[in-house]
Amino acid sequence: QVQLVESGGGVVQPERSLRLSCAASGFIFNNYGMHWVRQAPGKGLEWVAIISYDGTKKFYADSVKGRFTISRDNSNNRLYLEMSSLRTEDTAVYYCAKCPTLSCYSSGYALDVWGQGTTVTVSS
Amino acid sequence: QSALTQPPSASGSPGQSVTISCTGTNSDVGAYNYVSWYQQHPGKAPKFIIYEVNKRPSGVPDRFSGSKSGNTASLTVSGLQAEDEADYYCSSYAAGPNLVFGGGTKLTVL
Repeated sequence: QVQLVESGGGVVQPERSLRLSCAASGFIFNNYGMHWVRQAPGKGLEWVAIISYDGTKKFYADSVKGRFTISRDNSNNRLYLEMSSLRTEDTAVYYCAKCPTLSCYSSGYALDVWGQGTTVTVSS
Repeated sequence: QSALTQPPSASGSPGQSVTISCTGTNSDVGAYNYVSWYQQHPGKAPKFIIYEVNKRPSGVPDRFSGSKSGNTASLTVSGLQAEDEADYYCSSYAAGPNLVFGGGTKLTVL
């Protein structure tokens, strides 16, 4: 079945870096755009970034632009989020999620399959 | 980009219908028919239940329906069941490109 499994979360000090990974299985990974979405403790969902199916187009939320980098390895069915200059407000559960179509825009940036999330805590 | 506005809570008795609103602007909800809805049970990942305003993914019961008028989208849950108790989030595509979420609505089945 279609599955996304995030990893790489943990406790990190402010201003440090962390890389999250998302392993995809059960579908043709390089046929779909992918997102990262986060959820701070007790709060709502916040979109973080999106990458096209081939990795050529990337867009970010203003809150992470210039600090986070989304990337993908289609040969290994993996999605990544490189996070640098981390702040306490970046503390959240980070989810990877799949677009329903090759072009995420054609489905209006919907997210049809979500991973279980990985927790990032930024604290000194 | 500001978050979409949802009521913090909603409730209904089993078998009743409840509607949750999601208000945006003419830059997001009002500009595109790209509103989605997600259901999230405590400690779980969100689940995709509505896309493109009123379309249901396969496997989602037809008790869930969506609509939109102007800058406000709505999710209606008919024939409420105990398992419908969860948090519900709307989202909308916005120019940028960008994706904005609502603050979430906690649905209680009385």
